[in-house]
Amino acid sequence: SAVISQKPSRDICQRGTSLTIQCQVDSQVTMMFWYRQQPGQSLTLIATANQGSEATYESGFVIDKFPISRPNLTFSTLTVSNMSPEDSSIYLCSVEDTGGGELFFGEGSRLTVL
Amino acid sequence: DAKTTQPTSMDCAEGRAANLPCNHSTISGNEYVYWYRQIHSQGPQYIIHGLKNNETNEMASLIITEDRKSSTLILPHATLRDTAVYYCIVAGGTSYGKLTFGQGTILTVHP
Repeated sequence: SAVISQKPSRDICQRGTSLTIQCQVDSQVTMMFWYRQQPGQSLTLIATANQGSEATYESGFVIDKFPISRPNLTFSTLTVSNMSPEDSSIYLCSVEDTGGGELFFGEGSRLTVL
Repeated sequence: DAKTTQPTSMDCAEGRAANLPCNHSTISGNEYVYWYRQIHSQGPQYIIHGLKNNETNEMASLIITEDRKSSTLILPHATLRDTAVYYCIVAGGTSYGKLTFGQGTILTVHP
């Protein structure tokens, strides 16, 4: 199974600022995904981070708000731009196990926007 | 992806088997049933998945009905550390990784 590290684990940010979350995997993976978990809610997929091309966003999420980079097969970043209190959530990186179909998740980055 | 229905919450005594049901009546032929759990303040953890045959691993067993419209996750000897939200998810084909999480079942294991 893949080991996923996310940074920061938590942060408190001011309204209007941006924060970049990093996701590092201990092995090369094809598929990387970013999820959001709002307080008391379940997880929602934000986008698929594609290596060498633009991310694929789910309905309700746009690149201007959540730009994603995927420079190689072990690393990705998610930026939450122009933050508002509604962006306060846990943001989770996940990767797909090769051939197995199951996902492995990082511990998440807990973001609080004041 | 097919929608799933799970009870909101369940209780289980420590040491007993926990049987968590899931309905997925609109599942299609190429979709798998996945189970994940999320312990408080942690990322979701993969438990098990199956297509149509029953599956067992070191964590749990998955029983899928013959018509594949429902399934049951079995934790054979629940411990306090199994207290978590359990998610039943149906996915497959080209949607690997694009999981649709419902509200899940809150399983509370008590002494």
